[in-house]
Amino acid sequence: GAGVSQSPSNKVTEKGKDVELRCDPISGHTALYWYRQSLGQGLEFLIYFQGNSAPDKSGLPSDRFSAERTGGSVSTLTIQRTQQEDSAVYLCASSLGGQGGEQYFGPGTRLTVT
Amino acid sequence: AQRVTQPEKLLSVFKGAPVELKCNYSYSGSPELFWYVQYSRQRLQLLLRHISRESIKGFTADLNKGETSFHLKKPFAQEEDSAMYYCAPPVKAAGNKLTFGGGTRVLVKP
Repeated sequence: GAGVSQSPSNKVTEKGKDVELRCDPISGHTALYWYRQSLGQGLEFLIYFQGNSAPDKSGLPSDRFSAERTGGSVSTLTIQRTQQEDSAVYLCASSLGGQGGEQYFGPGTRLTVT
Repeated sequence: AQRVTQPEKLLSVFKGAPVELKCNYSYSGSPELFWYVQYSRQRLQLLLRHISRESIKGFTADLNKGETSFHLKKPFAQEEDSAMYYCAPPVKAAGNKLTFGGGTRVLVKP
């Protein structure tokens, strides 16, 4: 079946503008994750949704970052008042359950803040 | 929190030479670990998991509880192994921060 999809694939925005990044997980996967991949920084955890539980937001770098997951499926990561240091590839992943197991990654959204 | 450490950011080897990517973990409880790989212009994907004890694309990884390590090895590297490799713990319940290793870039030279 279809894998994890993300949109847009590329986003260029001006400093100070808000952006929304979208993730469609694999159907039936209850867990969804957002990561940030920056050059030289590796893979940085941002937020984790598992079913109807409260999300684990411990990785969000500032209060400008927020994420929602509607209906247990699609998720949107919102970055308000973007800064140049927000430029990175934002990856979404999903997994079948919340305990162990393989994560399936999307292709990512490359965000460039000018 | 579970943590994994990959001490090498870059490994450069010649084709046919052995390659070993180091991963060390700090853990409470039974460790479960994965290796993910990201080839150029492809998405991040699972390479292997320690519980399966498989050899994938010639790679193996042994969990060494005494050394708290899960090093990834391949006896004869190929050019197509050039990629970014991440060591990772499994998903855990909300409240535990998920932390991938910093990643190791492998460059296999002809």
